Amino acid sequence: DQQVKQNSPSLSVQEGRISILNCDYTNSMFDYFLWYKKYPAEGPTFLISISSIKDKNEDGRFTVFLNKSAKHLSLHIVPSQPGDSAVYFCAASAYNDMRFGAGTRLTVKP
Amino acid sequence: GAGVSQSPSNKVTEKGKDVELRCDPISGHTALYWYRQSLGQGLEFLIYFQGNSAPDKSGLPSDRFSAERTGGSVSTLTIQRTQQEDSAVYLCASSLVITGHGYGYTFGSGTRLTVV
Repeated sequence: DQQVKQNSPSLSVQEGRISILNCDYTNSMFDYFLWYKKYPAEGPTFLISISSIKDKNEDGRFTVFLNKSAKHLSLHIVPSQPGDSAVYFCAASAYNDMRFGAGTRLTVKP
Repeated sequence: GAGVSQSPSNKVTEKGKDVELRCDPISGHTALYWYRQSLGQGLEFLIYFQGNSAPDKSGLPSDRFSAERTGGSVSTLTIQRTQQEDSAVYLCASSLVITGHGYGYTFGSGTRLTVV
C-alpha cells in the first residue's frame, strides 16, 4: 500500500534550468510533507518541509508547493546546479507515521 | 555524537544466519526509527522508539525481525534466519520531536545487508 508515490524514477535537466520533482499521496490524514536528498553511500538529509495549512514554502533555490485538493506536492529547484544531482525522496507525515516515496534520481548536466 | 552512526556499513551473510545491525543516535534525540530500502523501493518503515514508551513495531515484516533500544540510546536491529529478500539498505534515523514535523529526521549512512 504505497501511500506516497513518486512516479518518475529519474529526471535529467540542464544546469541553470528549473528542476521539478513531483509527488502524490493518498492519505488525507497527512499533515506535514517533507523532501529529503540522498547522495550515494550517505543517509537521506532533510531538505525542506511544508505544513498542510500552507501551499508554498520557499528556502533559497528550493520551493515546495502543496495542492491538497489534488493530494500533490512538488519540489522546484531553480537554478539547478550539478551539485543538486542526487536522489530526492518525498515524505508525508501524520503523527508518528512518516511514509516515503520511492525517490527520483535527479541529474543536473553542466 | 555529531551524527547518527550505524555499523557495520556493509554486511554479507549466508542465508539462514542471524545478523545484528547497530544504530547510535544523536545524543539527546528521544525518537529513533528504523527503515529499510530495498532495490528500487522507497523507505519502508520498520520500527520506532520514543523515550520509555513501548516501541511501535507495526512495520516489522515478520517475527524474524526484532529491535531493542538500551538505555534510551543505542539500538540494535536483529534479523534471525536471514532470507535473500532481507537484502536491503537498513537506515536508522533519530529526531528530537516524535513526529518529525518541520524538523525532519537525521539519518545514518545505513547498513547494506546482502544475504547470499
